[in-house]
Amino acid sequence: DTGVSQNPRHKITKRGQNVTFRCDPISEHNRLYWYRQTLGQGPEFLTYFQNEAQLEKSRLLSDRFSAERPKGSFSTLEIQRTEQGDSAMYLCASSLGRIQYFGAGTRLSVL
Amino acid sequence: QQQVKQSPQSLIVQKGGISIINCAYENTAFDYFPWYQQFPGKGPALLIAIRPDVSEKKEGRFTISFNKSAKQFSLHIMDSQPGDSATYFCAATDELNSGGSNYKLTFGKGTLLTVNP
Repeated sequence: DTGVSQNPRHKITKRGQNVTFRCDPISEHNRLYWYRQTLGQGPEFLTYFQNEAQLEKSRLLSDRFSAERPKGSFSTLEIQRTEQGDSAMYLCASSLGRIQYFGAGTRLSVL
Repeated sequence: QQQVKQSPQSLIVQKGGISIINCAYENTAFDYFPWYQQFPGKGPALLIAIRPDVSEKKEGRFTISFNKSAKQFSLHIMDSQPGDSATYFCAATDELNSGGSNYKLTFGKGTLLTVNP
């Protein structure tokens, strides 16, 4: 499979728990993006990596959120002390240039 | 502040008809305008894109019209087919100020297109 892979596809958690999502980009794509999509809205930019360096973080990314991309390969997005407002689809995209290829996303439901 | 406004929110078209989705932007620094198509359970996929130095771009049944002075652009789907039923997002990015590195996208809210057979 040469596409962007995200796991898990669905995550249900209780408020206050920590969750971690994983994104495996297309091989050799040096750019990796995380977006959040809520119902009826377009995806909103969260953060950007070039190789292993996190170069930009949106104001949407509160202190409870942390993202990593060790060795410039896969990336993880962790949400600590989840809140109901964190319920959304979390999308990962990768690119070599301007064309971004999106994964199918991880749908998070916080009860 | 919504930087890219998209309309309509939903659209129903008969098979063979023309689907038209409109977007307007505020940030004059935007210099690349892609359209994405999203099917249920899938991530968005690039459909077609345009730069502001071009007024129109056509790829098959899909055409983007761009009006730089009005800061508006639209997607036209000719001969719409039931398989085109999906959510369409316009987007914009500021490539120049990104230093050619961070092509983060600013999306519109999306249009749910239904093409009836």
